[in-house]
Amino acid sequence: DQQVKQNSPSLSVQEGRISILNCDYTNSMFDYFLWYKKYPAEGPTFLISISSIKDKNEDGRFTVFLNKSAKHLSLHIVPSQPGDSAVYFCAARGKLIFGTGTRLQVFP
Amino acid sequence: NAGVMQNPRHLVRRRGQEARLRCSPMKGHSHVYWYRQLPEEGLKFMVYLQKENIIDESGMPKERFSAEFPKEGPSILRIQQVVRGDSAAYFCASSLGIHADTQYFGPGTRLTVL
Repeated sequence: DQQVKQNSPSLSVQEGRISILNCDYTNSMFDYFLWYKKYPAEGPTFLISISSIKDKNEDGRFTVFLNKSAKHLSLHIVPSQPGDSAVYFCAARGKLIFGTGTRLQVFP
Repeated sequence: NAGVMQNPRHLVRRRGQEARLRCSPMKGHSHVYWYRQLPEEGLKFMVYLQKENIIDESGMPKERFSAEFPKEGPSILRIQQVVRGDSAAYFCASSLGIHADTQYFGPGTRLTVL
């Protein structure tokens, strides 16, 4: 029973364009969500988070949107850069429940 | 201002041996979490510890796995009598407190069981 789902295992985006990574969850009790970025052979790095009392949180090129009624969140990266190429995980708080990840590749 | 430290980074064991994975949390953090990432999968929660206490071990396999976070020293994840299916990347994270929202991860220990 995957409580946090990332249905797109990979995404390719051209440099300068917008990357949109999606995440769905099933447990309406989750009240805090985080996005982590992971490079090969490294641990996940915290990127951005959002509380369930908000529907949007922005930090530089990264914006996370939360739609509680749809139990859906998304991460927007604009403009995308080659250095953004990594695996992105969304997670719901406490003992973090991770999605399976989306591999983003930004090509020049 | 060291981050979360894990050692060893790579560990090779033969079936039946013991594996010990160490995690030193960030300075000032007293909460430690262990996660496992199997090939082609996301990270799965294993156990959550505070100093000298196991708070939540709902993700730990019932047998062969144990974890501790002593008053002094790093947190240890111990796997006895390893099997090939234990081969994975094991990540440790730490946070300031139970209500702290962000967990910071170490670089992981990649365990290979031959």
